[in-house]
Amino acid sequence: NAGVTQTPKFRVLKTGQSMTLLCAQDMNHEYMYWYRQDPGMGLRLIHYSVGEGTTAKGEVPDGYNVSRLKKQNFLLGLESAAPSQTSVYFCASNKGRSINQPQHFGDGTRLSIL
Amino acid sequence: AQKVTQAQTEISVVEKEDVTLDCVYETRDTTYYLFWYKQPPSGELVFLIRRNSFDEQNEISGRYSWNFQKSTSSFNFTITASQVVDSAVYFCALRRDPGGTYKYIFGTGTRLKVLA
Repeated sequence: NAGVTQTPKFRVLKTGQSMTLLCAQDMNHEYMYWYRQDPGMGLRLIHYSVGEGTTAKGEVPDGYNVSRLKKQNFLLGLESAAPSQTSVYFCASNKGRSINQPQHFGDGTRLSIL
Repeated sequence: AQKVTQAQTEISVVEKEDVTLDCVYETRDTTYYLFWYKQPPSGELVFLIRRNSFDEQNEISGRYSWNFQKSTSSFNFTITASQVVDSAVYFCALRRDPGGTYKYIFGTGTRLKVLA
């Protein structure tokens, strides 16, 4: 029962470096989301996808790019990391269009930008 | 505007006390869902409950109960006889889908500390 798997779990980057966070789900879910969690801010939506090959901007998309080339994977990229992107990143997925579906979350990626 | 407000940033209680976590939401939609999630110190997010906008029945699950009141746009969560293991951050969330937005809106969370 893997569910939603995020890799890596921890990462430290220097300002200006790039990296990609991987989210994989094995539940055949259509919808996938990337959030960042900062103290006192709750969960803020970065980007989301409603199906393979589609992506859309969320609340705080600047400085991030995403891709959904395969249904099971949703990648979050930082092209030029900035200290303001230090955060805990969560990936989530849910099935279908019915709005009663709860989101299933990964365990998070703790990212520090120095 | 669509918004979820959890005004209580942090609550501390002594074990066995009852505690209520408040959630107030704003939406113009007639159809929506509300959720509660728990984030224990280990960091993962755990789904607790969902409630649709047409069902105002209160729900009880063991020591947990939820009170949904459409008239006050509130979906409050009560833990009875709290335990140390209940210590976590609790998030309330709203989901609505007009125009296919498929987004969830989370509150800022309430950190609950249950002291032994």
